[in-house]
Amino acid sequence: GENVEQHPSTLSVQEGDSAVIKCTYSDSASNYFPWYKQELGKGSQLIIDIRSNVGEKKDQRIAVTLNKTAKHFSLHITETQPEDSAVYFCAAPHSGSARQLTFGSGTQLTVLP
Amino acid sequence: NAGVMQNPRHLVRRRGQEARLRCSPMKGHSHVYWYRQLPEEGLKFMVYLQKENIIDESGMPKERFSAEFPKEGPSILRIQQVVRGDSAAYFCASSPPAGRETQYFGPGTRLLVL
Repeated sequence: GENVEQHPSTLSVQEGDSAVIKCTYSDSASNYFPWYKQELGKGSQLIIDIRSNVGEKKDQRIAVTLNKTAKHFSLHITETQPEDSAVYFCAAPHSGSARQLTFGSGTQLTVLP
Repeated sequence: NAGVMQNPRHLVRRRGQEARLRCSPMKGHSHVYWYRQLPEEGLKFMVYLQKENIIDESGMPKERFSAEFPKEGPSILRIQQVVRGDSAAYFCASSPPAGRETQYFGPGTRLLVL
């Protein structure tokens, strides 16, 4: 099965600065890597995902990079805003199937005004 | 298009009682997943279902837990004889038919066992 490690567990940045969250995975066959944002008391919202045939994907202030050789992928948030404060989870396919996900332990991001 | 719906949002049970958690997937979605989240931890996969079929229940405890996704109606996660360790947030996700694996999550059911 897949093992996903996520760092850091907490991250505080000043409004306007960038935030980077990193995840490593163990299964070299994994080919789909989503990132979810979870706000307090709510379900997780998919914010961006990347497939193994590309090394980077960007959507406005959010980008994800993937290094298949090193088996790690990262979430980059630029020009952070207070509403970006939430818990962010990375995930990778469980047992080689993209339909079952193994999640990282989460990163509590706090954007200080 | 309404998102994934879960009810109840909060559920309190005493030890030994049964808990039933319901999940209605997004319209057009035929795949349902259940995850459990303990405080300050990530989501742990429990079970993956399609209509009337359990595809993968490798994350489900062997005893007291069961899940179904009938032809009509919501998916049900059932926990019998609950214990305090079952207290957690239970999230349901759904995804479209084969070929698109993006999962969309519901708001969760927070179960508290007294």
